[in-house]
Amino acid sequence: AQSVAQPEDQVNVAEGNPLTVKCTYSVSGNPYLFWYVQYPNRGLQFLLKYITGDNLVKGSYGFEAEFNKSQTSFHLKKPSALVSDSALYFCAVREASYGQNFVFGPGTRLSVLP
Amino acid sequence: SQTIHQWPATLVQPVGSPLSLECTVEGTSNPNLYWYRQAAGRGLQLLFYSVGIGQISSEVPQNLSASRPQDRQFILSSKKLLLSDSGFYLCAWNLQSGEAFFGQGTRLTVV
Repeated sequence: AQSVAQPEDQVNVAEGNPLTVKCTYSVSGNPYLFWYVQYPNRGLQFLLKYITGDNLVKGSYGFEAEFNKSQTSFHLKKPSALVSDSALYFCAVREASYGQNFVFGPGTRLSVLP
Repeated sequence: SQTIHQWPATLVQPVGSPLSLECTVEGTSNPNLYWYRQAAGRGLQLLFYSVGIGQISSEVPQNLSASRPQDRQFILSSKKLLLSDSGFYLCAWNLQSGEAFFGQGTRLTVV
């Protein structure tokens, strides 16, 4: 069975500092990994994905994530946080076989303090 | 380009009343379609998914049902709403191994 863990309910960071939002996953096969951001009362917005290839993937709004197969992790990072990055972040995994569903983590609330 | 429309944005319904939420996708063919529910601004619970017209899989037994009458239309329904059906409902679509794209959500309050 697939599962996703986001070990931190809340992450606080000062504006201008680097941020990391952690994600670990479990799948029986090869994973497809995704990060989404959600602002209040809105749908989820896609940020980036890992399907295959380079372990470091770059996405929207300056975010990037590193796929680490040995640690089964896919942490989201940004070199310099903005107050506007404050939102709810979801990691998701999908097993690399057609028809498998997305499994989402519980979400991490990021607060960037001015 | 592809777009997803979900409506209404907010809905207040009395207990025991019926429900119909609609989701349509434009600009693509034969998408996978999903209905999720999000409680208290946190985790997403997959309710239904569909890989084709008339093909619906239910992930959680509940008071809700889904239908896919057309390739790009996905409807979430209930005959009689319960208080526990309140929540934020999200429709999404994707193709094959790609990322999912979400609608703007419907905030349902059952009173």
